[in-house]
Amino acid sequence: QKEVEQNSGPLSVPEGAIASLNCTYSDRVSQSFFWYRQYSGKSPELIMSIYSNGDKEDGRFTAQLNKASQYVSLLIRDSQPSDSATYLCAVNFGAGSYQLTFGKGTKLSVIP
Amino acid sequence: EPEVTQTPSHQVTQMGQEVILRCVPISNHLYFYWYRQILGQKVEFLVSFYNNEISEKSEIFDDQFSVERPDGSNFTLKIRSTKLEDSAMYFCASSTRDRVSYGYTFGSGTRLTVV
Repeated sequence: QKEVEQNSGPLSVPEGAIASLNCTYSDRVSQSFFWYRQYSGKSPELIMSIYSNGDKEDGRFTAQLNKASQYVSLLIRDSQPSDSATYLCAVNFGAGSYQLTFGKGTKLSVIP
Repeated sequence: EPEVTQTPSHQVTQMGQEVILRCVPISNHLYFYWYRQILGQKVEFLVSFYNNEISEKSEIFDDQFSVERPDGSNFTLKIRSTKLEDSAMYFCASSTRDRVSYGYTFGSGTRLTVV
């Protein structure tokens, strides 16, 4: 059974702080990893994708991947109240599949 | 920016009725998907569709579900005989074949309420 696990939170950080969101997955041969942001009642919105070990930065967002530890994280620098949302980790487990397996999401609250 | 369009945004139906959820994927995309999210739960994969046929489906996608691309633009999900537990947000998504685009674009969703 391929699983993606996230701490459901809520995670509260003050405005301007760094928010750190974590995700673990069950299959060592997983290939592609994604972070989506989902506002309440809305659809998931892709923020970051990462495929190789290490860090990938895009603006205030940094995704980190450690395949040996089966761990992917998302850092949000200079957090803003508008970043308050649920962050979904999604994994493509490869082997010819285009399917994404999602975690339950971590709810982030940025306190002004 | 290109969008995946879903209609209707909200549908209420009686148990046992058939519903059709509609999606217009991004025009140059080749892969199409349906996901659902029951309130408070994970986003779950239902089915993927490529080259006019189903390429993958989950255990959720049983005989009461079907998908179709009736013309060059629309992609539909039909639920033949709805049950209370089918109440959920249904998201359509599409992607190109390019690996980077596996992080596909989701539509805004259809909220299905079965009463």
